[in-house]
Amino acid sequence: DADVTQTPRNRITKTGKRIMLECSQTKGHDRMYWYRQDPGLGLRLIYYSFDVKDINKGEISDGYSVSRQAQAKFSLSLESAIPNQTALYFCATSEGPHRASGYTFGSGTRLTVV
Amino acid sequence: GDSVTQMEGPVTLSEEAFLTINCTYTATGYPSLFWYVQYPGEGLQLLLKATKADDKGSNKGFEATYRKETTSFHLEKGSVQVSDSAVYFCALDNAGNMLTFGGGTRLMVKP
Repeated sequence: DADVTQTPRNRITKTGKRIMLECSQTKGHDRMYWYRQDPGLGLRLIYYSFDVKDINKGEISDGYSVSRQAQAKFSLSLESAIPNQTALYFCATSEGPHRASGYTFGSGTRLTVV
Repeated sequence: GDSVTQMEGPVTLSEEAFLTINCTYTATGYPSLFWYVQYPGEGLQLLLKATKADDKGSNKGFEATYRKETTSFHLEKGSVQVSDSAVYFCALDNAGNMLTFGGGTRLMVKP
């Protein structure tokens, strides 16, 4: 099994629908992140969590919410999906706080809002 | 705030050519620097890293040297292969494990 698992891998949804993207990890890491990737824009941070009771907004949190159900699970919700939320979404984990530890990424969820 | 700037792609090379992907950064203090690679349909994987000035990270024939004087971390490989075709991201960590990414550079290697 992959260290960081994202479900679903692909999803097409309609404008206005609520959708949840799920992430689970077997790394035992405390820190988890949600990023969005758009062509030509690299990765942008949506939300991050340094432990189960800690949730923080990233640079583009508007229109999104998250839930950290357990150390291993971190879900991202789009409350009312809109077309410009069409993107590739990545979950990542890190053992932190050491600056050299880097991230482990999931394989991504490709979301299309029509 | 911190930022990372990469050369825009796509970079198209023939197999066995020399590769350089430029990366420069702006940050206070002494960040750690990373290169990640994203193969088609996959997530990002750590390729190499360097944690202090003059360190050289290396992996799979790729190298990058942490140059504090020029605030750069350019990625190089002496002889690319078709299997190296991917998107490469430069990143820094300056605040206790929060990565700042560059925009990514797509590399296409032709046989």
